[in-house]
Amino acid sequence: KNQVEQSPQSLIILEGKNCTLQCNYTVSPFSNLRWYKQDTGRGPVSLTIMTFSENTKSNGRYTATLDADTKQSSLHITASQLSDSASYICVVSATDSWGKLQFGAGTQVVVTP
Amino acid sequence: NAGVTQTPKFQVLKTGQSMTLQCAQDMNHNSMYWYRQDPGMGLRLIYYSASEGTTDKGEVPNGYNVSRLNKREFSLRLESAAPSQTSVYFCASSGRSSGISPYEQYFGPGTRLTVT
Repeated sequence: KNQVEQSPQSLIILEGKNCTLQCNYTVSPFSNLRWYKQDTGRGPVSLTIMTFSENTKSNGRYTATLDADTKQSSLHITASQLSDSASYICVVSATDSWGKLQFGAGTQVVVTP
Repeated sequence: NAGVTQTPKFQVLKTGQSMTLQCAQDMNHNSMYWYRQDPGMGLRLIYYSASEGTTDKGEVPNGYNVSRLNKREFSLRLESAAPSQTSVYFCASSGRSSGISPYEQYFGPGTRLTVT
C-alpha cells in the first residue's frame, strides 16, 4: 500500500480561481514533506520542503501546510494561471531512510481560460 | 549550470536488448538516484548512490544495474530489456551546495523508454 495518498486524482479549474490539493501519509518516523510540480514531459521541480516543526510554507502563489499530528498536508494555489497546469506530487521522507523518498501518485491540475 | 542532464531522451528497444541510460550533474552533489515513473503510480527508486564509490538498491532494482563512474556521472543499465521496463526514467541528485537545502533532490528531464 502506498504510504503517500493524494486527492483528488485530477481537477479542472478556471484561470484566476484558487484550489487546494490534499496529501495524507503514513510514513514514519517523519522527517520532511515536500511538494513538487511536474510539467508534462519534464522532471519534477521542488515547490516547498517542510520539516516536523514547520506548519506552513509559501512559494509565490503556492502555500503548503503540514499537520504532523494528523499526517496531512495541503497545497493551496492562489489565483491560478495557465502555467499552473501540471501534476503536483507530495513526497515524504522518513528519518531512518537516508535520502529515500516516498512519492504520491500526484494530482493532475488543468487550468482553463 | 545545466543541472542534471540525461541521455537519450527517447529510446525504443526490442525485448532482450540491452542499453545504458546516462546521467550527469554539474552541481557537485554527492548523492545521485535513479527512479522510474509509471502511469498512476508515484516515482519509485531503482538504485541510489549516497557518495562516489557506493551504490545501493532501492525499491525496484530487479533487472537493472548501475555504475557511479565518478562524482558527476551515474549510469543505469538494462542488461536484457523486458516490456515491464517500459517507463519514464528520471535521474536526480542531491547534496550540500551553498545556499541550497541538503534535502533537495534535483531531477533531470527524463528518458522515455519503450520495450516492444
